Amino acid sequence: SQQGEEDPQALSIQEGENATMNCSYKTSINNLQWYRQNSGRGLVHLILIRSNEREKHSGRLRVTLDTSKKSSSLLITASRAADTASYFCATDAWGSEKLVFGKGTKLTVNP
Amino acid sequence: DAGVIQSPRHEVTEMGQEVTLRCKPISGHDYLFWYRQTMMRGLELLIYFNNNVPIDDSGMPEDRFSAKMPNASFSTLKIQPSEPRDSAVYFCASRGSDRGHETQYFGPGTRLLVL
Repeated sequence: SQQGEEDPQALSIQEGENATMNCSYKTSINNLQWYRQNSGRGLVHLILIRSNEREKHSGRLRVTLDTSKKSSSLLITASRAADTASYFCATDAWGSEKLVFGKGTKLTVNP
Repeated sequence: DAGVIQSPRHEVTEMGQEVTLRCKPISGHDYLFWYRQTMMRGLELLIYFNNNVPIDDSGMPEDRFSAKMPNASFSTLKIQPSEPRDSAVYFCASRGSDRGHETQYFGPGTRLLVL
C-alpha cells in the first residue's frame, strides 16, 4: 500500500508557536497533497507538491518533500486557534487519479 | 459555484433498511469520488467515476454497496440492506481532469448511523 502515515497522531501547541507534521509513504508518487479537516466538516485542500519539487510555500504553510526518504512535512508558522483541525497527507501514483490518505494528525492550538 | 453538495447531511436508519446518499459535483468536473471515513479505518476510497463511468470500485466493501452516476451532475451511493458497521461519514469529492487540477473538492459529508 502507498498509504501515507502522519506523525504525530496528535499535537497540542500554544497560539503563536509553529506546528510541524510529518507524512511518510511507501511507493513512488506523482504528487503529494495536504488537506485540512475541521471537526464535522469535509476536507479542504491546502497545498500540492509535485514529485520533482522539494519545497513549496503558501502563506503560513511550508511543505517539503524528500522522495529519497518517501516523506513530507507540513509546517504551519505562527499558529492560530483557527488552525485547530486534523491534517491529512494524500498521495497519488503516476497514471492514477486515486488519492490515498493517511490517518491524519490532530492539531490543537490553544489560545 | 456552490461547491460539492451532498444530501442528506445526517441519516439515522435501522438495520436492514435501504440507504441512498446523493452527491452533486462541481460543474465541469470530470471525476467524482466516494469516500467513507471512520475512526478505525480513516478515509477510504470506495469508488470513483470519470465522465460518469465507474473506473475503480475495488474499495466497495461488498455487494450491499452500489453507486451510480446517471449524468454529470448527480451520483448516488446506495446501501441495501444497511448494517450497523456501515455507520460512518460518507464524503463525495470531485475534481477536474487537466494537469493542475489534481485537487479534490470535498462535500460536507453525510453522517450515517445504522441502528
